[in-house]
Amino acid sequence: DVVMTQTPPSLSVAIGQSVSISCKSSQSLVYSDGKTYLHWLLQSPGRSPKRLIYQVSNLGSGVPDRFSGTGSQKDFTLKISRVEAEDLGVYYCAQTTHFPPTFGAGTKLELK
Amino acid sequence: EVQLVESGGGLVQPGRSLKLSCVASGFTFSNYGMNWIRQAPGKGLEWVAYISSGSSYIYYAETVKGRFTISRDNAKNTLYLQMTSLRSEDTALYYCARQTLRHFDYWGQGVMVTVSS
Repeated sequence: DVVMTQTPPSLSVAIGQSVSISCKSSQSLVYSDGKTYLHWLLQSPGRSPKRLIYQVSNLGSGVPDRFSGTGSQKDFTLKISRVEAEDLGVYYCAQTTHFPPTFGAGTKLELK
Repeated sequence: EVQLVESGGGLVQPGRSLKLSCVASGFTFSNYGMNWIRQAPGKGLEWVAYISSGSSYIYYAETVKGRFTISRDNAKNTLYLQMTSLRSEDTALYYCARQTLRHFDYWGQGVMVTVSS
């Protein structure tokens, strides 16, 4: 299975600060169709996961443009500009290029 | 508004069976592949099973293959997960999730399954 390694495991931030989360995969996530199926999810406290970004850099509907995703092959980054209180929770990267789909262990974003 | 509502969870003894349901609304259920994804208490996410829109393609995680069966009834807008030979390691919050463009775009609120004697 493809191993997804997220760093850091946790982040303590102040409102308005910008942060980045890294996600590295054990294999290239470029699929045979040329697309890269790396996605980002947010699980707010006590809630189910919510899609943020799909295919590296595409914002899900209703997701503010403070969120952005970059990367290629095996190295990906989620950036949150100007963190707001509603952004707190656990961020997961996920890959669906290879079977089975796998997730990172998560990065917990907390308030400083 | 897309809604996915799971039910059927509970406390079950090891070796017993349980069937989860996920009722979908707010979209044309028969057009989408669906997944079950679980989260053990305090842990991360683990994909469990996938079924295509017309049930032609079904896939399972190795950890549940041969014990769990995913199915769907498009007339009832409902996804199912039949779980047999349950083990303590199957204890988790089970989410149904819609799939589009090879990612999980909507998730239900989850249903808890606890396997314990």
